[in-house]
Amino acid sequence: KAGVTQTPRYLIKTRGQQVTLSCSPISGHRSVSWYQQTPGQGLQFLFEYFSETQRNKGNFPGRFSGRQFSNSRSEMNVSTLELGDSALYLCASSLGQGRYNEQFFGPGTRLTVL
Amino acid sequence: AQSVTQPDIHITVSEGASLELRCNYSYGATPYLFWYVQSPGQGLQLLLKYFSGDTLVQGIKGFEAEFKRSQSSFNLRKPSVHWSDAAEYFCAVGPITGTASKLTFGTGTRLQVTL
Repeated sequence: KAGVTQTPRYLIKTRGQQVTLSCSPISGHRSVSWYQQTPGQGLQFLFEYFSETQRNKGNFPGRFSGRQFSNSRSEMNVSTLELGDSALYLCASSLGQGRYNEQFFGPGTRLTVL
Repeated sequence: AQSVTQPDIHITVSEGASLELRCNYSYGATPYLFWYVQSPGQGLQLLLKYFSGDTLVQGIKGFEAEFKRSQSSFNLRKPSVHWSDAAEYFCAVGPITGTASKLTFGTGTRLQVTL
């Protein structure tokens, strides 16, 4: 069974631009979560989607948004990019929602903002 | 709010030596605890998890962890480290509410293995 895939793997943008990252969960998984990883702040939860609805949101500004499609694929969007948005963005999928469901992580998208 | 502390930022061990990575948590209820490993340029791989029951948990790649409620700890151990174990290790705690999936991570411990 294929793992979680994230595209693109690497991205370079300039300040003020917007970016969309994509995540395809493991087949059959319905929950997708996003995390931001930076050297300074570590791994921080962005949001979680289940059945096309955002279920939980982390403490990030409104420039960060996401959505989930009927096939469980998810996208996250960052508008008006800032230098501090440079990070590794990780997507994780699980069968269902809730703490009993093991999360499987993708390889991440490395975003560099210049 | 729950939190996770990994007091060691960087640890160096010789190949073949034993390893213990420390993790302390702050949690208002029965914790759901995880250890993940991240190799350079890769995502996170689950090593093991603790939900309830036996406090000594066995994981993949020869790792184990022991949950100690009295010490609020969930330390990761391996009897004999291999050079391929060099990576960053993250301890995480699951959400308090049953319907959420959010993980709260520690800051990570980078393991270096010398030959």
